[in-house]
Amino acid sequence: DQQVKQNSPSLSVQEGRISILNCDYTNSMFDYFLWYKKYPAEGPTFLISISSIKDKNEDGRFTVFLNKSAKHLSLHIVPSQPGDSAVYFCAASAIGTASKLTFGTGTRLQVTL
Amino acid sequence: GAVVSQHPSWVICKSGTSVKIECRSLDFQATTMFWYRQFPKQSLMLMATSNEGSKATYEQGVEKDKFLINHASLTLSTLTVTSAHPEDSSFYICSLGGHGGGGYNEQFFGPGTRLTVL
Repeated sequence: DQQVKQNSPSLSVQEGRISILNCDYTNSMFDYFLWYKKYPAEGPTFLISISSIKDKNEDGRFTVFLNKSAKHLSLHIVPSQPGDSAVYFCAASAIGTASKLTFGTGTRLQVTL
Repeated sequence: GAVVSQHPSWVICKSGTSVKIECRSLDFQATTMFWYRQFPKQSLMLMATSNEGSKATYEQGVEKDKFLINHASLTLSTLTVTSAHPEDSSFYICSLGGHGGGGYNEQFFGPGTRLTVL
């Protein structure tokens, strides 16, 4: 049972344009959401997070939007840069689970010149 | 963020042998560490939560006698894959739990260990 889903396994975006990565979840107990970036053969790197009491969080080129009623979140990267090419995982944490994270299946982003 | 190291970064072993993977927190005392496994093109799957000074908590479907976790100090957790088989070949990643600059659930991950069992 995949509680966190990233339905697009891959995405290609031109440099300078906006990248939008989507994530859906099913567990209504999730109250904290995170995005991680991962290069091959490396551990994930934390990018940005959002609490369920917010609907938007921005950090430089990265913005995460949360739509609780739709159980959907998205990561916007603008402008996209070639160095952003990686696999992006969204993750969620539920109340009272002591920081345990449930990860989505990942979206491979390719930023082309 | 916290700096996490793993050793070895990759290991090849024969079927039936045991392999120990170390996860170290270099700049933070971690009472909780997590161990994940990632198969190619799949998500990171939480295997167990490692608690300093007590027994690890395993996720459903993870054999605790096969994947031995020891968290003897605040800076070191080890995962031992006992009697490894080819199906145990995977990318194993550890993380520190629940510490971050802004949020409370930002885990910081090690670089991972690629295990290949022949």
